[in-house]
Amino acid sequence: GAVVSQHPSWVICKSGTSVKIECRSLDFQATTMFWYRQFPKQSLMLMATSNEGSKATYEQGVEKDKFLINHASLTLSTLTVTSAHPEDSSFYICSARSGQTDSYEQYFGPGTRLTVT
Amino acid sequence: GESVGLHLPTLSVQEGDNSIINCAYSNSASDYFIWYKQESGKGPQFIIDIRSNMDKRQGQRVTVLLNKTVKHLSLQIAATQPGDSAVYFCAEKNTGGGNKLTFGTGTQLKVEL
Repeated sequence: GAVVSQHPSWVICKSGTSVKIECRSLDFQATTMFWYRQFPKQSLMLMATSNEGSKATYEQGVEKDKFLINHASLTLSTLTVTSAHPEDSSFYICSARSGQTDSYEQYFGPGTRLTVT
Repeated sequence: GESVGLHLPTLSVQEGDNSIINCAYSNSASDYFIWYKQESGKGPQFIIDIRSNMDKRQGQRVTVLLNKTVKHLSLQIAATQPGDSAVYFCAEKNTGGGNKLTFGTGTQLKVEL
């Protein structure tokens, strides 16, 4: 149980275009989903926290107009990188939390490798 | 472990030996800690967690130790196997940060045959 999927697993796009990444919880309802970015040989950096039906909360320094997050249902959150540039190339990982009050574990997706040319 | 720039600290162990991976955390208000394993090109995978009211927790082949006095967390892996080779991250949740996890810098574990 507790499987999180991401789509696509990798994507190459041209500078200036937008890319949408999907994050789905397959066998549980995720009241909260998180989006992280990870550069090579570095740790996971939280970009934003997304609660179903409400606006995402962005971490300091993350542009909300550039990284659009939508959490329309309890099983789906999307991250859209708008007007992508080469510096946005990174590994984007989502995670989901089931909402059980006694558990803070986050279940991670397999990640999406974004390359902007 | 601490990292500088783009260099992950690396721990090399022989197959069959025990591994100890260390993590220092900074927030004394953290009340929950978790260890994740990340293989190359994949998302992090849960290993074990511990709450701040405990100082030790054991799982299958893994043990987490928490020392709140010096804000130190360790992960012990018994009889390390080649499949344990990965980057290991500790993460903490603090009482004032909602449900967010803050990740440490990570340690690369290499298992030598």
